[in-house]
Amino acid sequence: ETGVTQSPTHLIKTRGQQVTLRCSSQSGHNTVSWYQQALGQGPQFIFQYYREEENGRGNFPPRFSGLQFPNYSSELNVNALELDDSALYLCASSPPGQEQYFGPGTRLTVT
Amino acid sequence: GNSVTQMEGPVTLSEEAFLTINCTYTATGYPSLFWYVQYPGEGLQLLLKATKADDKGSNKGFEATYRKETTSFHLEKGSVQVSDSAVYFCALRPPGGTDKLIFGTGTRLQVFP
Repeated sequence: ETGVTQSPTHLIKTRGQQVTLRCSSQSGHNTVSWYQQALGQGPQFIFQYYREEENGRGNFPPRFSGLQFPNYSSELNVNALELDDSALYLCASSPPGQEQYFGPGTRLTVT
Repeated sequence: GNSVTQMEGPVTLSEEAFLTINCTYTATGYPSLFWYVQYPGEGLQLLLKATKADDKGSNKGFEATYRKETTSFHLEKGSVQVSDSAVYFCALRPPGGTDKLIFGTGTRLQVFP
């Protein structure tokens, strides 16, 4: 059984650019959640997708958006990047109402 | 609102010492509680969980008891190993609605031989 995978592992972007991060959920998991973890902090909930629909959102501006595909994989898009967007972005998948399994994360650096 | 407060680190221990990492929470209703561990350069791994008052979660020698009267979920281990060195996160999942997790700021544990 394949766990949660994320790509890319690392990337560097310039302020004002746009970025897309990708996540493949664990087999059989139809819920995907995204979190932002700033250096030295705990993860902060961005949003969650269930069966291709957004199912809850944290305190993040609209320039953070997402998609979930029929195979339950997901994308996180961030427009107009700011320096404070530099963080580790974590994806987690789960069956509904069950514990979440996290991927290794994507380290985004905005310069 | 919902929040989690953890003791600040780093916690520095010698191998085979007893470990306690304190975690308290504020929540409406009856949340589920979790401990996650993050090794350097990796994502989060679920360590243990408890879903109702007085439940005890345990795994790999770690344990934590859901105490509603003190709104606490302290992590303990009787004898730590160097390989336990990592950052530990306490988290809660509010009842109902979105299955989002609310995390504490994390506690770094350093175990020396």
